[in-house]
Amino acid sequence: QVQLQESGPGLVKPSQTLSLTCTVSGGSVSSGSYYWSWIRQPAGKGLEWIGRIYTSGSTNYNPALKSRVTISVDTSKNQFSLNLSSLTAADTAVYYCARDPDYEATFDIWGQGTMVTVSS
Amino acid sequence: DIQMTQSPSSLSASVGDRVTITCRASQSINKYLNWYQQKPGTAPKLLIYAASSLQSGVPSRFSGSGSGTDFSLTISSLQPEDFATYYCQQGYSTPRTFGQGTKVEIK
Repeated sequence: QVQLQESGPGLVKPSQTLSLTCTVSGGSVSSGSYYWSWIRQPAGKGLEWIGRIYTSGSTNYNPALKSRVTISVDTSKNQFSLNLSSLTAADTAVYYCARDPDYEATFDIWGQGTMVTVSS
Repeated sequence: DIQMTQSPSSLSASVGDRVTITCRASQSINKYLNWYQQKPGTAPKLLIYAASSLQSGVPSRFSGSGSGTDFSLTISSLQPEDFATYYCQQGYSTPRTFGQGTKVEIK
């Protein structure tokens, strides 16, 4: 079955850019009617949707983060990626990637999450 | 953005209890409402989609109802493995938004 795995640095300095990758296994990032989303969760807090990319490459971003976010897809590596710029301590969170079927408007498969700390 | 408000924020219950969590949307979202369960240190797990459809593999003691702006998640007989935090999420429009969560604790 489809599995997702996040990877990236656990510690990033303020003002820098975070780059995370989600590797899709057991399926193709370019097949089917799926969006591929990024979601984050600060420690002890709720879930915040960051944005998503469709299999066609079109994107949607959360307006609260739009000026700092870029999501891209690399079909040759079966991966999609998140870049988040101008980091502050408020960006410290667990970052999840998730599959988002366009026919269901759900997040039906999630990665295990990766903890990112923004600190000097 | 559509705001999602859950109640209560937390509750204490015993094994075997019937538990209901509610979720209210700031505008009508038809039936585009999903429920997730999250245990500490793990990713959320989809339980219910489209307000009342049970995700494959989820026990039948979980059920969802509602449409428009008011929704509920019911656990008919709480089991030890059900102690967790539950989130609602609207899929009607972007940005996707979640409720603040309801923590179900052992009484």
